[in-house]
Amino acid sequence: DVKVTQSSRYLVKRTGEKVFLECVQDMDHENMFWYRQDPGLGLRLIYFSYDVKMKEKGDIPEGYSVSREKKERFSLILESASTNQTSMYLCASSFPGAGVNNEQFFGPGTRLTVL
Amino acid sequence: AQSVTQLGSHVSVSEGALVLLRCNYSSSVPPYLFWYVQYPNQGLQLLLKYTSAATLVKGINGFEAEFKKSETSFHLTKPSAHMSDAAEYFCAVSESGGYQKVTFGTGTKLQVIP
Repeated sequence: DVKVTQSSRYLVKRTGEKVFLECVQDMDHENMFWYRQDPGLGLRLIYFSYDVKMKEKGDIPEGYSVSREKKERFSLILESASTNQTSMYLCASSFPGAGVNNEQFFGPGTRLTVL
Repeated sequence: AQSVTQLGSHVSVSEGALVLLRCNYSSSVPPYLFWYVQYPNQGLQLLLKYTSAATLVKGINGFEAEFKKSETSFHLTKPSAHMSDAAEYFCAVSESGGYQKVTFGTGTKLQVIP
């Protein structure tokens, strides 16, 4: 059974802290994605990676960075957390290529609160 | 550039009634279209997908969607709502090629009234 796991379901951090969100997939997918989900805004893409050590900015990369040292792991980093980064963060993965292989598999999400 | 519009952030239906969730898309090339469902406190899971093989797509849990190119629509339907269908539903569009970026709609929360 395909699986995407995220390191924490709930996280509370202080303003200015460095925050690491970890995502691991066991499907040997090349593509991995980080989204944030906010009420009324849907899912917005922060960063994605199509290969180890490769990354591309999404729609809202400001205040975030990512790391992909291994194929199965994709980390989202908040260099200095701010209250406006309080959100639900979703990780996803997929095979490359068009058509049916575009299906993304999602983790359960990390609800981050920055105080 | 691709985009998705979901009409209605909240939809309420009675148990047993027809479910209709609306989605319109914009894409410069033939699109791939998806519906995802998110149950409370969970990630998203795929309901169904359109990849040009057939305009009427059947998915899990009795849902289906029809691709209408002339209307640029991909509405999600289910003949008879069940209490377990209460969730948030997201329409998404992807264009072939490149890195297969997927653009999601803002979501529609479905409430099922007993």
